[in-house]
Formats: sequence, structure tokens, C-alpha cells
Amino acid sequence: QSVLTQPPSVSGAPGQRVTISCTGSSSNIGAGYNVHWYQQFPGTAPKLLIHTNNNRPSGVPDRFSGSKSGTSASLAITGLQAEDEADYYCQSYDSSLSGVLFGGGTKLTVL
Amino acid sequence: EVHLVESGGGLIQPGGSLRLSCAASGFTVTSSYMTWVRQGPGKGLEWVSFVNTGGSTYYADSVKGRFTVSRDSSKNTLYLQMNSLRAEDTAVYYCAKPGGGWEFDYWGQGALVTVSS
Repeated sequence: QSVLTQPPSVSGAPGQRVTISCTGSSSNIGAGYNVHWYQQFPGTAPKLLIHTNNNRPSGVPDRFSGSKSGTSASLAITGLQAEDEADYYCQSYDSSLSGVLFGGGTKLTVL
Repeated sequence: EVHLVESGGGLIQPGGSLRLSCAASGFTVTSSYMTWVRQGPGKGLEWVSFVNTGGSTYYADSVKGRFTVSRDSSKNTLYLQMNSLRAEDTAVYYCAKPGGGWEFDYWGQGALVTVSS
């Protein structure tokens, strides 16, 4: 089954570093397809946060970074701020689905 | 500047049909893999469908045979025809434009579809 698995929730205190994992399989991340990350606030459309594994679009703070290895990827947020409290989604392409695959999402709580 | 504006959402009874529109500006819809993504209430993002630059269409298994994606180059608009709607199709539907790869760098504001009797 083609899925991208994320932890439902993560939390951290202001200033801390948190990571969000995204585990896939041989038909998506493991097949070499790139991983992208989105940030979403309640009631708004997702915003592209990281593209092509570790690239930040213009305007995204360098506190956000991405990495990919094997069948997994991670989003790291350093210097956590209250405004980072949001839902985060990873996304890739899946050859078995012949379509796009999103992770289940992770809710970040800033303590 | 790229803009995507969805319309056509609303309340529809189970088994009914609805057509969503996504009006694009700042680029031509036929030049991108235009995509529909939905988000059920309190749920995560779910890919629904995309149409590639050549006009080939692809669907998630959950909507295959019921939904049809199309585009009108003269109106620069993407459509999603939704038939045989079910309660589980209730969601906010977003149209999205990819960048250089499969990342979606532009999203519409979303259109709410509620399937209920």
C-alpha cells in the first residue's frame, strides 16, 4: 500500500529544534521521487515550505530545512517560534498510484 | 502573477453531481500538470486528480469512474466534474499548480463541497 507516514503530532518549546519524519516506500521516496513539505494554518490553503527535498522557496526562513535518505525524509525546524504552530504535510509522487501522495500530516504545537 | 480561484462548491445530496471550476491567471492551464487536492473536515490532504500538459488524466482510486478533470484553454480554466457524490466526498477542494516538478507552489483558496441529505 502506498502511504507516507508522519507522526500525528510533535511539540517543542520556543527556541528548540523539532523534526518531523515522513516514511515512504520503494514506490515513492525510495524510488527516487522528490519530497516536498507544506505548512497549513487552519482555514487556509497549504503553503509550499520545502521543495525537492531540501530547497526553500523565496521567503521561507532558513530555520526550516529538509532532508531525504532512502525511503524517508525529514523536516527540521530550528529556533521554534509560536508562529510555527501549524499542520505540516510531506508529499511525493508514487509510481504504483501513478499519482501524488501526501503524508497524513503532523500537528506542531509550540509549548 | 499567478492566481487560482475555485468556484462551484455547495451542498449537494448523495448521488448528485457538481462541477468545480478553477479560473487561472498569470499562466496557461495547458502548460502545467494542473491538480485537484481535497481535504475532508478535520482530515489531511488527499490527491484527487491531475491532467498533464498533453491532456492525459489521472485519478485517485477513491474517485476513479466518478470524477472527471478537464480544462478549457479559451477560458484558461480547470474543471472537476463530480458525479455519484458520496458523503465521504465532503471536503474543501483545492486546485493547485506545480512548479518545476511535483511540488505545488500555487494553490487556490478552496471550494467547499458538502454531500448530505
